[in-house]
Amino acid sequence: KQEVTQIPAALSVPEGENLVLNCSFTDSAIYNLQWFRQDPGKGLTSLLLIQSSQREQTSGRLNASLDKSSGRSTLYIAASQPGDSATYLCAFIKAAGNKLTFGGGTRVLVKP
Amino acid sequence: SAVISQKPSRDICQRGTSLTIQCQVDSQVTMMFWYRQQPGQSLTLIATANQGSEATYESGFVIDKFPISRPNLTFSTLTVSNMSPEDSSIYLCSGKFHYGYTFGSGTRLTVV
Repeated sequence: KQEVTQIPAALSVPEGENLVLNCSFTDSAIYNLQWFRQDPGKGLTSLLLIQSSQREQTSGRLNASLDKSSGRSTLYIAASQPGDSATYLCAFIKAAGNKLTFGGGTRVLVKP
Repeated sequence: SAVISQKPSRDICQRGTSLTIQCQVDSQVTMMFWYRQQPGQSLTLIATANQGSEATYESGFVIDKFPISRPNLTFSTLTVSNMSPEDSSIYLCSGKFHYGYTFGSGTRLTVV
C-alpha cells in the first residue's frame, strides 16, 4: 500500500524566509504528483503537477521537485509572505490508477 | 483550468437527517471523486462517481450511507444519510483532468 508522509507537520517562519516542505512515498511506481494548498475550512487549490517523466515544475515563487529513486518530492516557496500561511498537501497518483493518495499535510504559518 | 462549484459551503444539521451536496463542473469530466476530511486529518476517498453506472466505494464506505448520483459529465451529488455527530467533516468533490485534479471549495458539515 502506498504511504505518503509529509514532514514537518507544522512550520512557522518569519516573513521573507524560504520554505522547504518535504513529501516522501514508499512506492516508486507513481504516475503523477500534485501539490495543493488548503486554507482553513476550504477546498484545495492546485499548485503544481509533476508528471513521472519530469523532475520539477516551477510557477512564480514555487518550485516542486520529484525524485522517484529516493521516493521524495520537495516544494520550495521562495521569499515567504503572510499570505502563504495555509496547509500544503502532496498527493500521488499511482501508475495505471486514478486515485489520489494524500499525505497528512504541512501546516505553515508565515509571521509578519 | 476547470472550475468546480460546490454547494452548500457549510451547513449545520440535526442528527438523523440527510444532506445532499452538489458539484457542478464548467466542463465535461469523465472521472469525479468524493472525499471526506475529518477535523485535523487529511483527505480520505469515499467513492468514484461514474457517469451512467453506480459509484465505486472505498473500503469503509457504503452506498446506503453515502448515495451518489452522476447523471451527466458535468454534475454529481453526494448525500450523507442518517447523520450522526461523527459525520461532521469537510466533504469535497474533485474532477480528474489532463492537467491534474481540480477540487470544489468544500462543504463544512456540522451535525448536532
